[in-house]
Amino acid sequence: AQSVTQLGSHVSVSEGALVLLRCNYSSSVPPYLFWYVQYPNQGLQLLLKYTSAATLVKGINGFEAEFKKSETSFHLTKPSAHMSDAAEYFCAVRGVTGGGNKLTFGTGTQLKVEL
Amino acid sequence: DAGITQSPRHKVTETGTPVTLRCHQTENHRYMYWYRQDPGHGLRLIHYSYGVKDTDKGEVSDGYSVSRSKTEDFLLTLESATSSQTSVYFCAISEGQSNEKLFFGSGTQLSVL
Repeated sequence: AQSVTQLGSHVSVSEGALVLLRCNYSSSVPPYLFWYVQYPNQGLQLLLKYTSAATLVKGINGFEAEFKKSETSFHLTKPSAHMSDAAEYFCAVRGVTGGGNKLTFGTGTQLKVEL
Repeated sequence: DAGITQSPRHKVTETGTPVTLRCHQTENHRYMYWYRQDPGHGLRLIHYSYGVKDTDKGEVSDGYSVSRSKTEDFLLTLESATSSQTSVYFCAISEGQSNEKLFFGSGTQLSVL
């Protein structure tokens, strides 16, 4: 079964610093991978998705992620953190059985941005 | 923003009572999902629907049932609520079955006392 592991439940960075949120996946087939963001008291929003077209995926708000098969990783990065990036981030992998877009989510990483 | 409305937004109930949460969409999307969010667990799929009257179980379906009598409505019922079902419940929708993204509602905070 597909699964994702997010390393670090809390990450703190200074404003302007690099953001790196880690996600490793386990999948028996080429995976579809996603990063979602959740702002306080809101539902999740899609940041970006990997569907095998390109290993470097650019998303919204300046985020990007690189798919590395050799490392089974899909880490999320942003060159310069902004206060508005403070949120919880979830990595997810799409299941291969059944219809629809059933996603298995990681446990989430809370990003704190400090002045 | 996708048109997804969850109701109620907050609910407090007692152990043993039935509870129904509603998800209403105006996007005419085929697929609908119910997730629960708990600290340390992320989001876990409870049930999903791939069409009117077509539903299937997710990874944490015990104690929950769903119904979808119309494209726009997906109901989640806790048959006899327990304290372990205290959680935030999210409805999501997607248009297709490929790599289409999910659109999420704003969530329902449920407390079972």
